[in-house]
Amino acid sequence: QKEVEQNSGPLSVPEGAIASLNCTYSDRVSQSFFWYRQYSGKSPELIMSIYSNGDKEDGRFTAQLNKASQYVSLLIRDSQPSDSATYLCAVNLDGGTSYGKLTFGQGTILTVHP
Amino acid sequence: GAVVSQHPSRVICKSGTSVKIECRSLDFQATTMFWYRQFPKKSLMLMATSNEGSKATYEQGVEKDKFLINHASLTLSTLTVTSAHPEDSSFYICSAARVGNTIYFGEGSWLTVV
Repeated sequence: QKEVEQNSGPLSVPEGAIASLNCTYSDRVSQSFFWYRQYSGKSPELIMSIYSNGDKEDGRFTAQLNKASQYVSLLIRDSQPSDSATYLCAVNLDGGTSYGKLTFGQGTILTVHP
Repeated sequence: GAVVSQHPSRVICKSGTSVKIECRSLDFQATTMFWYRQFPKKSLMLMATSNEGSKATYEQGVEKDKFLINHASLTLSTLTVTSAHPEDSSFYICSAARVGNTIYFGEGSWLTVV
């Protein structure tokens, strides 16, 4: 079983729609969760970090965390073609003993078509 | 501007030679940095944790004699790929965690071994 698993995609949504990205993780003691966006050939850029159960909103992005279900998601509202990228879920799996040490999911390719 | 900087961004080397990649935290001290590797269309895989003033901690399956990591100062970690082979060609990315829980990634370094 993979430690961090994302819905495989690719995901295609029309412009203006909501894109939903999902991620599950294996380690119950995980404390820190991140969503990164990566354009082809570039380094990942942070979209959102979340540490507590519930929702966290930042502009068009909402991260949702459910530690009991070991599940974290990212919603992108009013999707734009510029949102087309690979989205990576990352988890600090070792309970925070080495903050910054991330395990990544395999990524979900999102395409937003005009 | 960049908070974590990598150099070089692209490098081509001949088989059998060694190549060094630098990772610098530009305006903060990083006692710990991380090195990742990413193959085309794959996710980031953690290679090792670079510890300032002590030996790096390598992930299972990563050859420590092949990928030499040195973290000689609080702002610089280097990754040296020794006796490079074409299969070492990849995108190498470093990261550092800043006090306050922000994790920054470098721009990445493309290595091509010919």
